[in-house]
Amino acid sequence: NAGVTQTPKFQVLKTGQSMTLQCAQDMNHEYMSWYRQDPGMGLRLIHYSVGAGITDQGEVPNGYNVSRSTTEDFPLRLLSAAPSQTSVYFCASSYLGANTGELFFGEGSRLTVL
Amino acid sequence: KNQVEQSPQSLIILEGKNCTLQCNYTVSPFSNLRWYKQDTGRGPVSLTIMTFSENTKSNGRYTATLDADTKQSSLHITASQLSDSASYICVVPRGSQGNLIFGKGTKLSVKP
Repeated sequence: NAGVTQTPKFQVLKTGQSMTLQCAQDMNHEYMSWYRQDPGMGLRLIHYSVGAGITDQGEVPNGYNVSRSTTEDFPLRLLSAAPSQTSVYFCASSYLGANTGELFFGEGSRLTVL
Repeated sequence: KNQVEQSPQSLIILEGKNCTLQCNYTVSPFSNLRWYKQDTGRGPVSLTIMTFSENTKSNGRYTATLDADTKQSSLHITASQLSDSASYICVVPRGSQGNLIFGKGTKLSVKP
């Protein structure tokens, strides 16, 4: 019963490098999303998807790209990492959508950009 | 401005004691309010989802209350255990799909 799986758990990047955070869910949820969590702040939405082939921006989308080619996977790409992107990133999915259904979170990916 | 404010920021209690965490929101229109528990280094886990018509909802030793008139919610933990040490986050949806407003959380420490 895996739920939402994120990889990697930890990553250190240098400024300007690119990388992809992986997220996979095995619950057949249409809704998937990415959040970042910074000290002293609530979680903030980066991007979300309501189904395969459909993505939309959240509150803080700059510097991040997403795609949704399958129901199961929702990768988050950092094209040119900046120190301001140092954060803990959480992927979450929901059967009914974020506003009405329960959100299931992954365990997080801690990213440090030097 | 749509906001979710939680208090206190942090709380230390002895094992076996009860405690109450507060959440005030100004989100409109209101549809539901959620409480999540986040253990250190882990992802948030849902405790309760309360809709407009629900005043009280329990999940084991956790009891959430909602007053939609005053826009306040509380999370009461009974007979605390060491495993209750975590951050508790209040969340309210706002408008369009995916738009959740997360409070900053209350960090609870339960000491033996």
